[in-house]
Amino acid sequence: AQKITQTQPGMFVQEKEAVTLDCTYDTSDPSYGLFWYKQPSSGEMIFLIYQGSYDQQNATEGRYSLNFQKARKSANLVISASQLGDSAMYFCAMREDGAGGTSYGKLTFGQGTILTVHP
Amino acid sequence: NAGVMQNPRHLVRRRGQEARLRCSPMKGHSHVYWYRQLPEEGLKFMVYLQKENIIDESGMPKERFSAEFPKEGPSILRIQQVVRGDSAAYFCASSPIDTQYFGPGTRLTVL
Repeated sequence: AQKITQTQPGMFVQEKEAVTLDCTYDTSDPSYGLFWYKQPSSGEMIFLIYQGSYDQQNATEGRYSLNFQKARKSANLVISASQLGDSAMYFCAMREDGAGGTSYGKLTFGQGTILTVHP
Repeated sequence: NAGVMQNPRHLVRRRGQEARLRCSPMKGHSHVYWYRQLPEEGLKFMVYLQKENIIDESGMPKERFSAEFPKEGPSILRIQQVVRGDSAAYFCASSPIDTQYFGPGTRLTVL
């Protein structure tokens, strides 16, 4: 089974509207972390937001929020008030902390969602 | 505070040559990770290092690839006898705890 699944290869949104990018994950570890990264056409990987499995509240960073539904194993990214500069590839990633609970482990990435923001 | 630095940004090698990719983590970060991104794909983990130690190399190909993170200096990802299938973007990330911050990547092209 895929550890990280992003079911939307591409998404379109009108400028200033909100958009949700889907991510589901699969792990049996009680402790894990979930990440979203943005990769614009220039190629760099930009960290957007992080959610720990024990965090009680959904993470927010400016216009980004993470809709964390632990029972459903989903970690959707919500971008509010989309801007043209938001057009990029977006990756969801997971870090599994294992029995030791270390938070230094490798990330497993999904296949990504290409977001296009229309003016 | 400078971010994660990688060099070179672009590297062209002919089949059979060696490629050396360098990564300097963010100041204060002692954990370094290498990932590879093939065209149209997500990133795949290769190796995780701390100073002078390889912690997890479960994603490294068994042959031709090696990595180090010496006490002094950058982390190095070395690919010997490159083949066309090694053409990819190679990203380095560093971490203090929890979050990994990525460098700009090195785009390797094998002719």
